[in-house]
Amino acid sequence: SAVISQKPSRDICQRGTSLTIQCQVDSQVTMMFWYRQQPGQSLTLIATANQGSEATYESGFVIDKFPISRPNLTFSTLTVSNMSPEDSSIYLCSVEDPEAGQGSLMEKLFFGSGTQLSVL
Amino acid sequence: AQKITQTQPGMFVQEKEAVTLDCTYDTSDQSYGLFWYKQPSSGEMIFLIYQGSYDEQNATEGRYSLNFQKARKSANLVISASQLGDSAMYFCAMREGRYDYKLSFGAGTTVTVRA
Repeated sequence: SAVISQKPSRDICQRGTSLTIQCQVDSQVTMMFWYRQQPGQSLTLIATANQGSEATYESGFVIDKFPISRPNLTFSTLTVSNMSPEDSSIYLCSVEDPEAGQGSLMEKLFFGSGTQLSVL
Repeated sequence: AQKITQTQPGMFVQEKEAVTLDCTYDTSDQSYGLFWYKQPSSGEMIFLIYQGSYDEQNATEGRYSLNFQKARKSANLVISASQLGDSAMYFCAMREGRYDYKLSFGAGTTVTVRA
């Protein structure tokens, strides 16, 4: 299993500002994922972050708005830039199961406790 | 097209009774995995159960079981002997292909357990 520490747990921000969310894992993992969960909605993948390479963004998400860092195998940050009220969501960090074989279909994802962001 | 469909936005269940949460999926891959996660009001996502496309037996984990009907492309979650702590949002998710790590999630079903 993996224990994920995500900070901050919640924040209230002003329009136009930026917030950086941190994700720390207790094991080395190759891939880390950032998801967004808008109020009352399901989870949508923002991007996949591999150590040592640029993050891969899903359709509808761009690096200028959601820059991601992945300096090592246990840490990643997601920044929500130039925020607007539409960015109010829960942002979740997730990682692959470090004990599963790479490429295993049954490899579940572990999730952090999320960051609840409200933009005024 | 929606890959995962959960048609029940909300359900009520009496404590100690069983509840079935529906999930249908759409994929052309032969190899895929199906997952169920629980999200309590605190927000964390808790893995419950997994079913692989080649698994012949339905998966079970304690009070959770997965009713896997491959021909119908359905993977319903059954929670037996519901407890008050089971009140949460439940998400069905799918991973397609052997080297695609992404999970696609359904819209979720809110379960409320009544005493």
